[in-house]
Amino acid sequence: GAGVSQTPSNKVTEKGKYVELRCDPISGHTALYWYRQSLGQGPEFLIYFQGTGAADDSGLPNDRFFAVRPEGSVSTLKIQRTERGDSAVYLCASSAAPSTNYGYTFGSGTRLTVV
Amino acid sequence: DAKTTQPPSMDCAEGRAANLPCNHSTISGNEYVYWYRQIHSQGPQYIIHGLKNNETNEMASLIITEDRKSSTLILPHATLRDTAVYYCIVRVHNQGGKLIFGQGTELSVKP
Repeated sequence: GAGVSQTPSNKVTEKGKYVELRCDPISGHTALYWYRQSLGQGPEFLIYFQGTGAADDSGLPNDRFFAVRPEGSVSTLKIQRTERGDSAVYLCASSAAPSTNYGYTFGSGTRLTVV
Repeated sequence: DAKTTQPPSMDCAEGRAANLPCNHSTISGNEYVYWYRQIHSQGPQYIIHGLKNNETNEMASLIITEDRKSSTLILPHATLRDTAVYYCIVRVHNQGGKLIFGQGTELSVKP
């Protein structure tokens, strides 16, 4: 596609529920990134995929968070037993190669609200 | 990756140049300076990057000091649509992985 697509754009869930957030990167982009952004803060890195494998998952806050990219394109961020503190905008970005000096392209994000 | 320091907010009159500073005094030789901006309710957008030479593209100019410890992003004729949070990031050349965002500078362009 023309850009990075994230679905849904908004998600409201109850505390304790499981959620999945989807990211469709730009076609052909091998690198994919997930970030989380709380109100008034800069984006916070969560995980980076190169192809199908997670090259860096050091930003995942705890084991309730998990992400997959089984075929090296679409990625899903999964959050178990959601907590109110998980409320944030979850951003996805992709880039053409891990070593590129060109910019990363971000999606518009999924706004997650845990009530 | 080196840490960056930016003023939390700035104002600029519409049509005037906006000069956004960034300090990165601990930058190492193989780190590039990147600028992104984030307009409200959108994801960050790449603007420009550079190593040591000044760079210009259709969006902005990037001036990097000779010692590379600071840089300035210049929007030559700011418009209301340039109102956004601007992030200065340094990262290693030829290394994949995360961008580390700070708090950025909230630029308000006023009529």
